[in-house]
Amino acid sequence: KNQVEQSPQSLIILEGKNCTLQCNYTVSPFSNLRWYKQDTGRGPVSLTIMTFSENTKSNGRYTATLDADTKQSSLHITASQLSDSASYICVVSARASGGSYIPTFGRGTSLIVHP
Amino acid sequence: DAGVTQSPTHLIKTRGQQVTLRCSPISGHKSVSWYQQVLGQGPQFIFQYYEKEERGRGNFPDRFSARQFPNYSSELNVNALLLGDSALYLCASSSVASSYEQYFGPGTRLTVT
Repeated sequence: KNQVEQSPQSLIILEGKNCTLQCNYTVSPFSNLRWYKQDTGRGPVSLTIMTFSENTKSNGRYTATLDADTKQSSLHITASQLSDSASYICVVSARASGGSYIPTFGRGTSLIVHP
Repeated sequence: DAGVTQSPTHLIKTRGQQVTLRCSPISGHKSVSWYQQVLGQGPQFIFQYYEKEERGRGNFPDRFSARQFPNYSSELNVNALLLGDSALYLCASSSVASSYEQYFGPGTRLTVT
């Protein structure tokens, strides 16, 4: 069964500090890994997308890493801002028949940034 | 350009009733996917449609069905509603079926009482 596990479940940090979120997965056959930011009650917004051959991808203050051998990914947030408070979801997709992709979502890490 | 739109925003139904949720993808996008997100959990994949054909199905009962129209908009239908169907239902669109760059709508909050 394809699974995506995220840690920690929740995290509280002070504004300006850095933090790292973790994602471990057992998804096969692996196609891609995405990190999303989801504000409460809103739809997820894509931060980064990585395929098998990519081991790092940056988007502003967000940097994602991927180790396909250990099936682990991390999302590093630099110089956190109050607006970073949200749920961060790791999504790993498996290739399916017909050229489509079946995504498996993690439960997300709830990040709270305090002033 | 408008993003993915969903209607209604909120909905309250009674157990046993049926509900239809609607989604309009980004202009030019031909693929629509549906997800169920229960409070405190990540979204669960329900369906993917591309060019009006079902391309993927998650582990949901037959009470859940969907379709895609010629203009690429989509409807998700849920019959015989259960309390456990209460969730945020998300729609995501992408330009092609093989694209993993999905854009999500704001969701429809369904409450079953």
